[in-house]
Amino acid sequence: QKEVEQNSGPLSVPEGAIASLNCTYSDRVSQSFFWYRQYSGKSPELIMSIYSNGDKEDGRFTAQLNKASQYVSLLIRDSQPSDSATYLCAVNGGATNKLIFGTGTLLAVQP
Amino acid sequence: EPEVTQTPSHQVTQMGQEVILRCVPISNHLYFYWYRQILGQKVEFLVSFYNNEISEKSEIFDDQFSVERPDGSNFTLKIRSTKLEDSAMYFCASRLVDNTGELFFGEGSRLTVL
Repeated sequence: QKEVEQNSGPLSVPEGAIASLNCTYSDRVSQSFFWYRQYSGKSPELIMSIYSNGDKEDGRFTAQLNKASQYVSLLIRDSQPSDSATYLCAVNGGATNKLIFGTGTLLAVQP
Repeated sequence: EPEVTQTPSHQVTQMGQEVILRCVPISNHLYFYWYRQILGQKVEFLVSFYNNEISEKSEIFDDQFSVERPDGSNFTLKIRSTKLEDSAMYFCASRLVDNTGELFFGEGSRLTVL
């Protein structure tokens, strides 16, 4: 059973701080890794994708991938109250590149 | 910006009734997916669809579920005889035929089975 593991949180950070979200995955052959943001009652929204080891930056977001450790992380700099949401880690798997999701980490940014 | 659209946004049905959830994927996307999310739980894969046939399905996707692409734009999920445990958000997603694997989700259809 291919798994994606995340700490469910909540992770509480003050406004302006760095939020660090972590994810581990079990399938060594996975090649594509994604972070989605999901507001309560809404659909997942893609915020970052990463395919190779190292860091990838996009604005206030940085995704980090370490395939040897089967570990993906997301850093959110200068956290804003509007960043408060559940962050879903997703990893591709299977013949059709379906995404396997973790349970998500609830982030709460305190004003 | 192109988007995946889903209807209805919310459907309430009686146990045992048939339900059809509809999706219009992004026009140049060729892979289509249905996922579901029971309240408070993870987003779970149900089925993927490519070239007018199911390409992969999960163990959740049993005989009461079916998918269809009846025309060039719609992609539907049918639940033949709904059960209480089918109550969930159902998300349609689509992607290009490339190696990025990026899925784009619709807003979801909330199904409530009474």
